[in-house]
Amino acid sequence: GAGVSQTPSNKVTEKGKYVELRCDPISGHTALYWYRQSLGQGPEFLIYFQGTGAADDSGLPNDRFFAVRPEGSVSTLKIQRTERGDSAVYLCASSLGGRDTQYFGPGTRLTVL
Amino acid sequence: DAKTTQPNSMESNEEEPVHLPCNHSTISGTDYIHWYRQLPSQGPEYVIHGLTSNVNNRMASLAIAEDRKSSTLILHRATLRDAAVYYCILRDSGGSNYKLTFGKGTLLTVNP
Repeated sequence: GAGVSQTPSNKVTEKGKYVELRCDPISGHTALYWYRQSLGQGPEFLIYFQGTGAADDSGLPNDRFFAVRPEGSVSTLKIQRTERGDSAVYLCASSLGGRDTQYFGPGTRLTVL
Repeated sequence: DAKTTQPNSMESNEEEPVHLPCNHSTISGTDYIHWYRQLPSQGPEYVIHGLTSNVNNRMASLAIAEDRKSSTLILHRATLRDAAVYYCILRDSGGSNYKLTFGKGTLLTVNP
């Protein structure tokens, strides 16, 4: 079956611009996660959705970062006023429920010039 | 989350077994030991997990020490496609176990 998909695969933007990153989870998965991975590091948790609601957003680095999942399926990670330090691979994962195995997408590589 | 310690890198030859170690001396009784791997330019991929007993699946085996303070991921016959970063992660089976806390993992190189 189809796995987790993320679009775009690559995004290059200029400092100060706004970007949106999209995640399509596996159909039927109620839990969705966003992680960020900097070069040479393991992925770092950003936010967790159970259904439509953000159950834990403690990993979001500041208020420039926001994520939504309005219908409990597709999620969008939004970054305002991008900074060069936001450059990273943004990974999305989904699972059947919060305690189940997480399945990751291929990630979106964000480059802020 | 309890911390894990893994070697930065390991090297193996194709078709030979690989033993990837992980130390987790502060593991709690409700922590499961999970292994994920990340192939180049891909997202992490679940490999295996266990609590106390050794576990086998089609990808690998997980050997857990009797005191649970360490574990070893075993790839029985390494192939070139097994070259990846392997992450050992502790995940609490209790209330707040939804997120995965990754370290830097072990970079496995497989030589032809």
